[in-house]
Amino acid sequence: DAKTTQPPSMDCAEGRAANLPCNHSTISGNEYVYWYRQIHSQGPQYIIHGLKNNETNEMASLIITEDRKSSTLILPHATLRDTAVYYCIVRVGNNRLAFGKGNQVVVIP
Amino acid sequence: DTGVSQNPRHKITKRGQNVTFRCDPISEHNRLYWYRQTLGQGPEFLTYFQNEAQLEKSRLLSDRFSAERPKGSFSTLEIQRTEQGDSAMYLCASSRTGGDHEQYFGPGTRLTVT
Repeated sequence: DAKTTQPPSMDCAEGRAANLPCNHSTISGNEYVYWYRQIHSQGPQYIIHGLKNNETNEMASLIITEDRKSSTLILPHATLRDTAVYYCIVRVGNNRLAFGKGNQVVVIP
Repeated sequence: DTGVSQNPRHKITKRGQNVTFRCDPISEHNRLYWYRQTLGQGPEFLTYFQNEAQLEKSRLLSDRFSAERPKGSFSTLEIQRTEQGDSAMYLCASSRTGGDHEQYFGPGTRLTVT
C-alpha cells in the first residue's frame, strides 16, 4: 500500500471548517483513500473514503486532487468532540489498513 | 446492528501468564481483523479472517500468538507466556467482503503485563 504524509498536529477553531491535508504521491490507480479518526482510548472510527471523485457524507467531505497525489478531509463545522487523531490511509480492496501516526487535531473553543 | 464488541475491555496479567481476548463482529460481516496499538502509535495489523479461514498473518504475530474464528462468527486472540512488551491495546474490526468496504472497529482490549 502507498504511504501517506500528514502533519503531526494542527489546531482548529470551534465552529469553523477544519481542512486536514494528506499527501499520497505514490498512490496507485486502484488504491482508495480512507480516513479514520481515533478519539482518546477508543477504537478508530471510519469517516469516509474515495477513489477519484470527491465524496461527502454526514460527517465530512473528501476532496481528492485530479492527479490523486493528495487529498483533504473537510470537517464543515468543527466541534470540541472532533478533537482526535485523524488517519489518512491508502489501500487496495478489502485488506488490512496500514495506519501511520496520524494528525493530532485539537479543536479550540 | 450493535457494532463490534470486545471482551474484556481491560486485562492485567503477570508476565508468563496466558490471556485470551474475544471479539464479536457485526453479524453480517464475513471479514474480521485484529490490530495492536501501542502508546503514541497507530494500530498495526496482526491478522485477518474471511469466515473461518485465517488468510493473512503479520510477522508481528509471533509463535506465542494464536487467533481463531471457529464458526466464522466470533474470534479469539490468545497470547501465551505474556511478556511486558505485549502490553498494548488489541483492536478488532470487521467488514463485508469485497470491493472497498470499510472496516468497523470495536472499543479494544487494553492489556497490561506486569
